Amino acid sequence: ILNVEQSPQSLHVQEGDSTNFTCSFPSSNFYALHWYRWETAKSPEALFVMTLNGDEKKKGRISATLNTKEGYSYLYIKGSQPEDSATYLCAFKGGGADGLTFGKGTHLIIQP
Amino acid sequence: DVKVTQSSRYLVKRTGEKVFLECVQDMDHENMFWYRQDPGLGLRLIYFSYDVKMKEKGDIPEGYSVSREKKERFSLILESASTNQTSMYLCAASIGRGTEAFFGQGTRLTVV
Repeated sequence: ILNVEQSPQSLHVQEGDSTNFTCSFPSSNFYALHWYRWETAKSPEALFVMTLNGDEKKKGRISATLNTKEGYSYLYIKGSQPEDSATYLCAFKGGGADGLTFGKGTHLIIQP
Repeated sequence: DVKVTQSSRYLVKRTGEKVFLECVQDMDHENMFWYRQDPGLGLRLIYFSYDVKMKEKGDIPEGYSVSREKKERFSLILESASTNQTSMYLCAASIGRGTEAFFGQGTRLTVV
């Protein structure tokens, strides 16, 4: 079973502050790294799919970076808003015929 | 948008019953997955399928089987339900290996 670690496990952030969290994954046999947002009572939704070392992707106030050589990715949220409260999941896809391996998630709470 | 529909939102079954969880996707995606989500353990892959009549074991296949007779439908079967299979079950579909996964709304199964 592949080891995909996310930190921190949970995070309380004041509205308006920026924040970031980490996903670490195997640095060998890399194919793709995904980020998902999972809001309460909804389904997980993809934020980013990243495949190239050094990739940086952005969607509004949220961005992500990827380092496949050292096996980590950062997710950044600028100017946090209450609607950003959710669990953020990263998922690793290796080069073999297997599915996505998810981390346990970072539970983000934005305090007004 | 891809729509992934799971047949039940909530289900209560008795120990020893045979349980079917159904998942249907409407976008002709090749790949389908079943995950379970438990507190503190994150999303864990049970089974996946890359084509009709094809199935592969994930990380925790024991006590489960699957069926994919048609491309749009992927069923998860609990041969003899046990209390340790009480969990949230999520189905997902993706167009290619490593591409964005689209999730269903989840089935919360309770085995009593």
